Amino acid sequence: DIVMTQSPDSLAVSLGERATINCKSSQSVLYRSNNKNYLAWYQQKPGQPPKLLIYWASTRESGVPDRFSGSGSGTDFTLTISSLQAEDVAVYYCQQYYSTPITFGPGTKVDIK
Amino acid sequence: QVQLVQSGAEVKKPGASVKVSCKASGYTFTSYTMHWVRQAPGQRLEWMGWINAGNGHTKYSQKFQGRVTITRDTSANTAYMELSSLRSEDTAVYYCARGMATILLSAFDVWGQGTMVTVSS
Repeated sequence: DIVMTQSPDSLAVSLGERATINCKSSQSVLYRSNNKNYLAWYQQKPGQPPKLLIYWASTRESGVPDRFSGSGSGTDFTLTISSLQAEDVAVYYCQQYYSTPITFGPGTKVDIK
Repeated sequence: QVQLVQSGAEVKKPGASVKVSCKASGYTFTSYTMHWVRQAPGQRLEWMGWINAGNGHTKYSQKFQGRVTITRDTSANTAYMELSSLRSEDTAVYYCARGMATILLSAFDVWGQGTMVTVSS
């Protein structure tokens, strides 16, 4: 199984400041044949299901604000919130869909400082 | 709009089975896959398996192999997840989630609201 890890476990950022979350996979999730990273990011607020933010490591889902961006390749990935808003308080998960079982990271909780 | 609506909360005794439904609307049900993911209290999301809603092909996580069955009813645009031999560790919120494509390897772009399953004697 591909093990996903995230850092930090939690972070507190001032409104308008940048938040950066890291995700690492135990093996590469880059498919050489199509040069795509099989990595997604989700946002989950209390009592709600996860919401897809980013797929293919850097493609923003329709309707997601452009302050959210994804980067990285192979085994190391980053989700950046360029200017944190109050509504961004949530837990963020990375997910690999390169192979089954599809696996998720442990989550990173983002709060307002 | 595209929507997945799940059945309501369940309370089951150890050893029993539970069947959760997920009704899809707003899109062509058979053109996508459906995944099932669970989240135990304070735990990370855990993928259980998927079904190709078009041809009915399924694949399960090894962890749940033999205990989970995912089916679909194309006439009702509904997917089902049945988990048997329940134990206390199965207490969790169970989600259905639509895969972005008909292939297994895709992100999940639409999620159901979740169904709380509590296993308690």
